[in-house]
Amino acid sequence: SQQGEEDPQALSIQEGENATMNCSYKTSINNLQWYRQNSGRGLVHLILIRSNEREKHSGRLRVTLDTSKKSSSLLITASRAADTASYFCATDRGGSNYKLTFGKGTLLTVNP
Amino acid sequence: EADIYQTPRYLVIGTGKKITLECSQTMGHDKMYWYQQDPGMELHLIHYSYGVNSTEKGDLSSESTVSRIRTEHFPLTLESARPSHTSQYLCASSDPRGGNNEQFFGPGTRLTVL
Repeated sequence: SQQGEEDPQALSIQEGENATMNCSYKTSINNLQWYRQNSGRGLVHLILIRSNEREKHSGRLRVTLDTSKKSSSLLITASRAADTASYFCATDRGGSNYKLTFGKGTLLTVNP
Repeated sequence: EADIYQTPRYLVIGTGKKITLECSQTMGHDKMYWYQQDPGMELHLIHYSYGVNSTEKGDLSSESTVSRIRTEHFPLTLESARPSHTSQYLCASSDPRGGNNEQFFGPGTRLTVL
């Protein structure tokens, strides 16, 4: 089965800096989603980008998608200590298959 | 915040016990999912359901079973818990009819089997 792979596995930055996380996947997709998980909690959906889109913004989040390279990036600008969490990409193959395939995640630590 | 609930949040039990992890959602979603996640690791889909009386095994083999008798309720049962079942279990639901297939997650149940 296809699998998203995020890199880096862990990222530590100072408050105010930008954080960039990357995700690669293996097969064709309908859309790609990014989720956030605070320690010991469930995941929260952040943003979805469709296969025919190249870039999308939501607040301090910017997502890009390059289907030719099968990769996506998530940029968090002007990071805050509260952004400390794990970030996962998930791919949706579309059709009647409603399952998402999650990557291994990037642990982001924002130091005050 | 998503209207999806899981109980208990934490459970510590002895080997051999039967347990049921509860998951309920009030959003009327047809699609529901159970994931298993070890600390700091990826999510593995262990069960999913596309509606009442529909259940399927996920990508990761699991000794647990599920049922879907009501739209809002998707409990997971372990007949005889073992230490290898120690993990976090996350329940999620989705409604792809709007064109997006984002999943809404519950807070998780952290299970420890001694």
